[in-house]
Amino acid sequence: GQSLEQPSEVTAVEGAIVQINCTYQTSGFYGLSWYQQHDGGAPTFLSYNALDGLEETGRFSSFLSRSDSYGYLLLQELQMKDSASYFCAAFGPYSGGYQKVTFGIGTKLQVIP
Amino acid sequence: NAGVTQTPKFRILKIGQSMTLQCTQDMNHNYMYWYRQDPGMGLKLIYYSVGAGITDKGEVPNGYNVSRSTTEDFPLRLELAAPSQTSVYFCASTESRGSSYEQYFGPGTRLTVT
Repeated sequence: GQSLEQPSEVTAVEGAIVQINCTYQTSGFYGLSWYQQHDGGAPTFLSYNALDGLEETGRFSSFLSRSDSYGYLLLQELQMKDSASYFCAAFGPYSGGYQKVTFGIGTKLQVIP
Repeated sequence: NAGVTQTPKFRILKIGQSMTLQCTQDMNHNYMYWYRQDPGMGLKLIYYSVGAGITDKGEVPNGYNVSRSTTEDFPLRLELAAPSQTSVYFCASTESRGSSYEQYFGPGTRLTVT
């Protein structure tokens, strides 16, 4: 089967750095994506890691270790607008025309002044 | 580009009623998806389509049907609505199978079945 684990809630101070972890069990694993979702809004794509290592996009970075079945999203210089839920999504094998994707339950990040 | 649009934004159904959730994308994406998101949960795939005329079941297809007559439109049909179908429904699209990790989501339809 496919499963992901991530913390349900994280609180961090404005201007600080926060790391949101995600561990996965996915057969035929291809890569790990991260999405941001504000309350009442749609998920928006942040990053994707197919290879081990760190990918940086502005204040956000994402890391993957395939040997440890583990990834994380790093948010730097936190701003109040970063308060949202963050989902990791693991991509598995192709089956016909479809690449199986499993989403985590999301980590609700609260940024406090 | 409007991206992915969904209508309606909100809907209340009585048990046993039917409705169609509309989804349209203007990015000429081949791949389209329907997800449901229950409170405090991740997204569950209901149906997907790899192009006009081709659809297939996802993880939780029971109680739903889809069609894909054009590249742009991917409506989701609920027949005989049940309280268990109370959820937020998101439509998404990707350019190709190889870029399925980057999905573009619509704003969602919030459905309550009472």
